[in-house]
Amino acid sequence: DAGVTQSPTHLIKTRGQQVTLRCSPKSGHDTVSWYQQALGQGPQFIFQYYEEEERQRGNFPDRFSGHQFPNYSSELNVNALLLGDSALYLCASSLSLAVDIGEQFFGPGTRLTVL
Amino acid sequence: GIQVEQSPPDLILQEGANSTLRCNFSDSVNNLQWFHQNPWGQLINLFYIPSGTKQNGRLSATTVATERYSLLYISSSQTTDSGVYFCAVKPLWGKLQFGAGTQVVVTP
Repeated sequence: DAGVTQSPTHLIKTRGQQVTLRCSPKSGHDTVSWYQQALGQGPQFIFQYYEEEERQRGNFPDRFSGHQFPNYSSELNVNALLLGDSALYLCASSLSLAVDIGEQFFGPGTRLTVL
Repeated sequence: GIQVEQSPPDLILQEGANSTLRCNFSDSVNNLQWFHQNPWGQLINLFYIPSGTKQNGRLSATTVATERYSLLYISSSQTTDSGVYFCAVKPLWGKLQFGAGTQVVVTP
C-alpha cells in the first residue's frame, strides 16, 4: 500500500518566480491538506481540498493556490516567490467521514529554497 | 484559534531511560495525533488518540480530553528515538494545529 508521495523532493527558485508542488494521497484517501514548515517550527496549515474544491484555508496570502484532480492528487502553486517562502512543504492525506476527516498521513515533503 | 503547548521544549536522555512528553490544548478537540519527525523531515504517525490510552511497543499515549492534555511515554529509549515529537490537535471540522514540538536527543 503506497503512502503519500510528493514531488519534487528539493527545489531551488529565485524571488519572483512561480513554483508547483505535487502530491499523491494514500490509497483510499480523498482529502488532501497542505502545510508549510519553517525551520525550527511546527507545520502550519495552508489549505485543504476535498471533491476538487478548497474546503478550508489557513492564514496564507492568495499567492498560495491549489488544485485537486479527479484522482484525488493535488498541486500547490506559489506565485511571486519571496525569500520567506523558503520552507518544507508537507502534504497530508485523509479520508472524509460523515462527522469529520480522519487521521492524517504525511508525505516526505518538498524542501523549497528561494534565493 | 486553538492553542497547543508542548513541554519540555528539549529533552536529552541516556539510552535506556524513560520519559514523558506533555501536550496541553486550549479547547475541545475531535482529533489528536502524535508524530515523530525524523532528521529528513518525514512526519511519522505515532498515535491517533482523541481520548483514552494506546500502546505501541515501547511507546504509549494517554489523552484526557476533559482536562485538555495528552501525554506521550517513551520507555527504554533508543538512539533511533531521537528527533522532534509533535502533538497536533483538531477541533470538529477545524484545521489541524501543531504544537512547537519537543526536541529529543538520546545519547548512547
